[in-house]
Amino acid sequence: DTEVTQTPKHLVMGMTNKKSLKCEQHMGHRAMYWYKQKAKKPPELMFVYSYEKLSINESVPSRFSPECPNSSLLNLHLHALQPEDSALYLCASSQRGLAGAGWYFGPGTRLLVL
Amino acid sequence: TQLLEQSPQFLSIQEGENLTVYCNSSSVFSSLQWYRQEPGEGPVLLVTVVTGGEVKKLKRLTFQFGDARKDSSLHITAAQPGDTGLYLCAGGKADSWGKLQFGAGTQVVVTP
Repeated sequence: DTEVTQTPKHLVMGMTNKKSLKCEQHMGHRAMYWYKQKAKKPPELMFVYSYEKLSINESVPSRFSPECPNSSLLNLHLHALQPEDSALYLCASSQRGLAGAGWYFGPGTRLLVL
Repeated sequence: TQLLEQSPQFLSIQEGENLTVYCNSSSVFSSLQWYRQEPGEGPVLLVTVVTGGEVKKLKRLTFQFGDARKDSSLHITAAQPGDTGLYLCAGGKADSWGKLQFGAGTQVVVTP
């Protein structure tokens, strides 16, 4: 099973809403990632979790709050977003400690902030 | 500044033709990955190369990692409409684990 699942597939929210994105993998990967992708651009790294601990935060605004409840789950809590935060949000996972391990991406959540 | 330069940015070919996409950098990478992404979907991992000079084949796709580990190429033989997509290369460095450097991507369109 090389699948990363993400829910919801689509999300529309107002600037005062609170919502959460969810990601799950059962490949035993101990590294998980959140990326943001705008149209016609490559993915941009937001957060990295290694062994369920936040390892990298790429200076992401605090209105994005990641959480890793266990080794299979990754959440991204959203609050008071701006219209410019509209994008495809991608979750990924990889093996930790294996040189050249590939990243496995989920299908993404298409977010629209009104 | 894009550490990984992909070329061309866009490629439109007829079914049955061959194509090559290039990924170049002035930096050395410990690994290089290739992905294909379709609209509204996440990137799908095609291959990872880690050894300079390494060549990997995946059916009609051939991937090469440069001897100096600064560049890579993806060659598709007898392209099919199902090969249409955005091809992304991404490099990893041992001293910056967790951070993949993505190229800007090459949009490939294969028409029947």
